[in-house]
Amino acid sequence: EAQVTQNPRYLITVTGKKLTVTCSQNMNHEYMSWYRQDPGLGLRQIYYSMNVEVTDKGDVPEGYKVSRKEKRNFPLILESPSPNQTSLYFCASSSGAGGGNNEQFFGPGTRLTVL
Amino acid sequence: GEDVEQSLFLSVREGDSSVINCTYTDSSSTYLYWYKQEPGAGLQLLTYIFSNMDMKQDQRLTVLLNKKDKHLSLRIADTQTGDSAIYFCAERYSSASKIIFGSGTRLSIRP
Repeated sequence: EAQVTQNPRYLITVTGKKLTVTCSQNMNHEYMSWYRQDPGLGLRQIYYSMNVEVTDKGDVPEGYKVSRKEKRNFPLILESPSPNQTSLYFCASSSGAGGGNNEQFFGPGTRLTVL
Repeated sequence: GEDVEQSLFLSVREGDSSVINCTYTDSSSTYLYWYKQEPGAGLQLLTYIFSNMDMKQDQRLTVLLNKKDKHLSLRIADTQTGDSAIYFCAERYSSASKIIFGSGTRLSIRP
């Protein structure tokens, strides 16, 4: 089954404790992206990757890192989480940059709480 | 800068039509999208329209695009309880890498 998986689905952590949210897709997609969803703000792009070893900042990259060492994986790293990073995070992938028929497939989301 | 705006809530009676509206600012947008998010799930692409089209119909869904006013709408005919969800409007920015999402409209269905 074609899918995007994220782990963990739920995470409660404390300020300053490094964490990684994994994202994996089995569709051989070039393009992958991370979003955060906050009430009243919709989805905001954190980082995206056009292909292996190619990553770039989205609209809200501060406090986050990503890597793209393999095509299928695109982990999101919070080196020193802070309470304002409490949010619902989505990973997405597509065969292109998500235009037209290049539909973006979304993962199920990771709900992160930073105390 | 680019921006996509939607109202946050819409309530309709079961069986009526729902119309969700969206405005955007980037006149160079190439594609405009409607995504559906059900509770506890990720976003699912419902439909999209290319910017040189005025209308697209797909079963119960009708998308209307007014490029002059930069206004996009999604009409759901014969709204059912299964249509309860958050609906996101999104535009593909002129650079290939970016899609801008609206804040989402929560659609609730009354019996």
